[in-house]
Amino acid sequence: KQEVTQIPAALSVPEGENLVLNCSFTDSAIYNLQWFRQDPGKGLTSLLLIQSSQREQTSGRLNASLDKSSGRSTLYIAASQPGDSATYLCAVLVDSNYQLIWGAGTKLIIKP
Amino acid sequence: DTGVSQNPRHKITKRGQNVTFRCDPISEHNRLYWYRQTLGQGPEFLTYFQNEAQLEKSRLLSDRFSAERPKGSFSTLEIQRTEQGDSAMYLCASSTTSTYNEQFFGPGTRLTVL
Repeated sequence: KQEVTQIPAALSVPEGENLVLNCSFTDSAIYNLQWFRQDPGKGLTSLLLIQSSQREQTSGRLNASLDKSSGRSTLYIAASQPGDSATYLCAVLVDSNYQLIWGAGTKLIIKP
Repeated sequence: DTGVSQNPRHKITKRGQNVTFRCDPISEHNRLYWYRQTLGQGPEFLTYFQNEAQLEKSRLLSDRFSAERPKGSFSTLEIQRTEQGDSAMYLCASSTTSTYNEQFFGPGTRLTVL
């Protein structure tokens, strides 16, 4: 059974720092991996999607990597800003039935 | 706005009442998903449609829950005889096979059962 874990559960850093969020999964048979952002009480915004055959994707200050063999993905945020404060969730798409399996998220606080 | 929309955004109901939520996916998306999220947790898969066919149902979806997508466009999720444990954010997403099955989410419906 696929399980997704995100560590740490919460992270607080000063503005301007680069940071890395971690996501691990137990079964490498995935179709893709998505990183999402969720603001308090709101829905989910897709940030990056990495296909199972890809190693990384970049969008602006965000870079996501995928290592299927070790069951890990990282989300790198460069030059963090207070507006980056949110909960970041990763989810893997299971090959067989198209459902996303989710981590519990990392709550990120960027201090001005 | 061409994103996924959900209505209502908030619903407060008394235990035992029935509630129905609606999701309008992105127009060209043939896949539609329902997830449930409780506070501090990641979402949990409930069910999935491809066009009008319901292809997958989670064991989380008890007999009190029913979902439909009658014409392959919008979908409804009904909860009968609500319980306090049903209080959660109900999220809808849609996707198409041509974009690596990237799922796009609506704003969610927050249900509070008193």
